[in-house]
Amino acid sequence: DAGITQSPRHKVTETGTPVTLRCHQTENHRYMYWYRQDPGHGLRLIHYSYGVKDTDKGEVSDGYSVSRSKTEDFLLTLESATSSQTSVYFCATGGAPGELFFGEGSRLTVL
Amino acid sequence: AQKVTQAQTEISVVEKEDVTLDCVYETRDTTYYLFWYKQPPSGELVFLIRRNSFDEQNEISGRYSWNFQKSTSSFNFTITASQVVDSAVYFCALILNTNAGKSTFGDGTTLTVKP
Repeated sequence: DAGITQSPRHKVTETGTPVTLRCHQTENHRYMYWYRQDPGHGLRLIHYSYGVKDTDKGEVSDGYSVSRSKTEDFLLTLESATSSQTSVYFCATGGAPGELFFGEGSRLTVL
Repeated sequence: AQKVTQAQTEISVVEKEDVTLDCVYETRDTTYYLFWYKQPPSGELVFLIRRNSFDEQNEISGRYSWNFQKSTSSFNFTITASQVVDSAVYFCALILNTNAGKSTFGDGTTLTVKP
């Protein structure tokens, strides 16, 4: 398994507050991803990165921004959290497009 | 656009029964990867298999086997002699080889294995 650490693992916040989730990897993987998982749905891609400072939008990017200033860290920011962003967030990494190793997930509750 | 369909929302079997989880996909690309992941009640995503679109060989790993048929755009997963520990949500996924951002997951199949 790739060394992938997500923080925080659990967070409860209020509507309108900013939230940042961090994904840290020790595998020197080029690709990093942020997904969200909601009941009854599979995982949906929010944003991904294909290198330092190189990011692109996924399927459900509205309301989210990302940054990758170094290979090992990929940050997901909710500028102003809403209740619809209550979800479980998974980070994933891969050395190539066909690889996908997941972190343990971060549960975010927006009240 | 690409799509992954797992038509079986929930399956319940009795221990030692064989069970097949269906996955049908749609894509216009010719190079892609197909995956199966297991998500046990603890919540983590466990990688089971990755299959390249050029490799249609079936694969067996212990009690698990996978049947990949490009002619029917299916990548089905069979558990032989199911066990209670197999109870989980199983996800099928497709990722394009040419675009790391094009990943599509099915909605998952919840498998319950009863003792």
